Amino acid sequence: DVKVTQSSRYLVKRTGEKVFLECVQDMDHENMFWYRQDPGLGLRLIYFSYDVKMKEKGDIPEGYSVSREKKERFSLILESASTNQTSMYLCASSLFSGLAGWNQETQYFGPGTRLLVL
Amino acid sequence: QQPVQSPQAVILREGEDAVINCSSSKALYSVHWYRQKHGEAPVFLMILLKGGEQKGHEKISASFNEKKQQSSLYLTASQLSYSGTYFCGTEMAPMNYGGSQGNLIFGKGTKLSVKP
Repeated sequence: DVKVTQSSRYLVKRTGEKVFLECVQDMDHENMFWYRQDPGLGLRLIYFSYDVKMKEKGDIPEGYSVSREKKERFSLILESASTNQTSMYLCASSLFSGLAGWNQETQYFGPGTRLLVL
Repeated sequence: QQPVQSPQAVILREGEDAVINCSSSKALYSVHWYRQKHGEAPVFLMILLKGGEQKGHEKISASFNEKKQQSSLYLTASQLSYSGTYFCGTEMAPMNYGGSQGNLIFGKGTKLSVKP
């Protein structure tokens, strides 16, 4: 069964703190993604990775960084948390397949981490 | 490049039908449909790849138009369990989006509430 886990369901941090959000998948997927989800804005891509040690910026990378040292683990880092980073963070993974590198496989999501920055 | 979903919200009585649309200004490579219940992760419903494609089953199905710029999700004879927010995730065709490893751009979602 497909499984994507995230380290915390709820997290409360103070402004300026360094925050680590961890995501682990057990499906041997090449691609991993971090999104944030805010009411009325839908899912917005922060960063994604298609291989170990590889990363690509998504639509809203400012204020975030990522790390992918192992295939199954993708970490999102908030270097200095701010109140506007209060959000639901969702991790997803997918298999890399398809002609010319286009991914025809869907993404599987973790349960999400609801982060509150005070 | 974010696809436009409509309607933003819909309220149904059990047994009624609904259509949710997902539109792009440019041709798409694929459309992925998800449903998310409150407090849970989005769950994959189906993927459409070919223009003119229609797939799914009797109760929940989807179509992808010939130009591959619009997809519709059809919910027939809705049940209480259909309640949730429906998202389309779109993947751009190579000519319009230079170099992707398969990341999806999601619409803002359509909140569906089914009442007894």
